[in-house]
Amino acid sequence: SQTIHQWPATLVQPVGSPLSLECTVEGTSNPNLYWYRQAAGRGLQLLFYSVGIGQISSEVPQNLSASRPQDRQFILSSKKLLLSDSGFYLCAWSVQRTLDFGPGTRLTVT
Amino acid sequence: QKEVEQNSGPLSVPEGAIASLNCTYSDRGSQSFFWYRQYSGKSPELIMFIYSNGDKEDGRFTAQLNKASQYVSLLIRDSQPSDSATYLCAVNEGGGGADGLTFGKGTHLIIQP
Repeated sequence: SQTIHQWPATLVQPVGSPLSLECTVEGTSNPNLYWYRQAAGRGLQLLFYSVGIGQISSEVPQNLSASRPQDRQFILSSKKLLLSDSGFYLCAWSVQRTLDFGPGTRLTVT
Repeated sequence: QKEVEQNSGPLSVPEGAIASLNCTYSDRGSQSFFWYRQYSGKSPELIMFIYSNGDKEDGRFTAQLNKASQYVSLLIRDSQPSDSATYLCAVNEGGGGADGLTFGKGTHLIIQP
């Protein structure tokens, strides 16, 4: 069966610090991978998606970036965090026409 | 811009009653419809999907789709306290991948014991 891992589970970072969130997928090859953010009181916002190694599509212009160095690894990064980057970050892979989400990372920027 | 609208709630339903959750969408080309359940602090999990007009039943859950009126609903029969969660409606135009998925903001459901 397929499994998504995300770490860390929670993170508290000061404004201006860098960020690296990692997502790995088991049990499948060449998955489409996604990063979503869910901010307090807001819906799920698609940030990036990737259809293969080195292939990244950005949905929202911001200070975040994503990379896919390996087939089953997806990384979300920032060089300098903003307060507005706080939220629940979810990695997902596509299953037919919809998504299966990982456990998420709760990020608080202070 | 594609929109998916849900009443944010909270929707309070007594235990054992039927909970009815509604969702409307703006894109007439939408083909695939999904309901996710999200417990507080957890990630969303898929509970139902429907592609054709009409009803689809899975245990205590029934999804209803009316493409002409552009709404999809989720009924939960014999509601249990464990059903208390936020329910997200998601809509996909269908031909492409999940990057075409649009989520509503969710309805917060409370089942009162």
